[in-house]
Amino acid sequence: SQTIHQWPATLVQPVGSPLSLECTVEGTSNPNLYWYRQAAGRGLQLLFYSVGIGQISSEVPQNLSASRPQDRQFILSSKKLLLSDSGFYLCAWSARDGGIAFFGQGTRLTVV
Amino acid sequence: AQSVTQPDIHITVSEGASLELRCNYSYGATPYLFWYVQSPGQGLQLLLKYFSGDTLVQGIKGFEAEFKRSQSSFNLRKPSVHWSDAAEYFCAGGDSSYKLIFGSGTRLLVRP
Repeated sequence: SQTIHQWPATLVQPVGSPLSLECTVEGTSNPNLYWYRQAAGRGLQLLFYSVGIGQISSEVPQNLSASRPQDRQFILSSKKLLLSDSGFYLCAWSARDGGIAFFGQGTRLTVV
Repeated sequence: AQSVTQPDIHITVSEGASLELRCNYSYGATPYLFWYVQSPGQGLQLLLKYFSGDTLVQGIKGFEAEFKRSQSSFNLRKPSVHWSDAAEYFCAGGDSSYKLIFGSGTRLLVRP
């Protein structure tokens, strides 16, 4: 069966520090991969999605970037974190024919 | 522009009472539609989905949703709510681009 792993679960980082969140999927090939951010009291905002290795689409201009170095690996990064980057980050995958997204357990990022 | 709207931020119901959570969508064509549930600090779990066909879809945990094209709605229902249903519920829409757009969520509180 397919599983999605996302780590770390929680992270506290100072302003200006770098960020790297990793997400891996097992049990499937060629998934679509997604990074969402959930700010307190708000819905999920799609940050990036990828339909293949090295193919990244950005939905909103921001201080973050994403990379997909391998088929089932999706990384969210920042060179210098801002206070406004705090939030709950969720990785997700869907099958190539799209539609249903399966989510990781999320990373709670607090920038201090 | 494509959008998914959940007009109710919070809903409180008594245990054993019926539940309906509202969701409206705005898409050029009939989108794929989903309902997810999120427990505090956790990822999202898929409750049910609508792609095409029968407009009344059954999901897990006793939930169902009805697609109404004329009203651009996909409301989630449950005939009898249990205390364990207290969580945040998200409606989402997708299309052939495989990007899911989420509503802002509805927090369900269950009174004993």
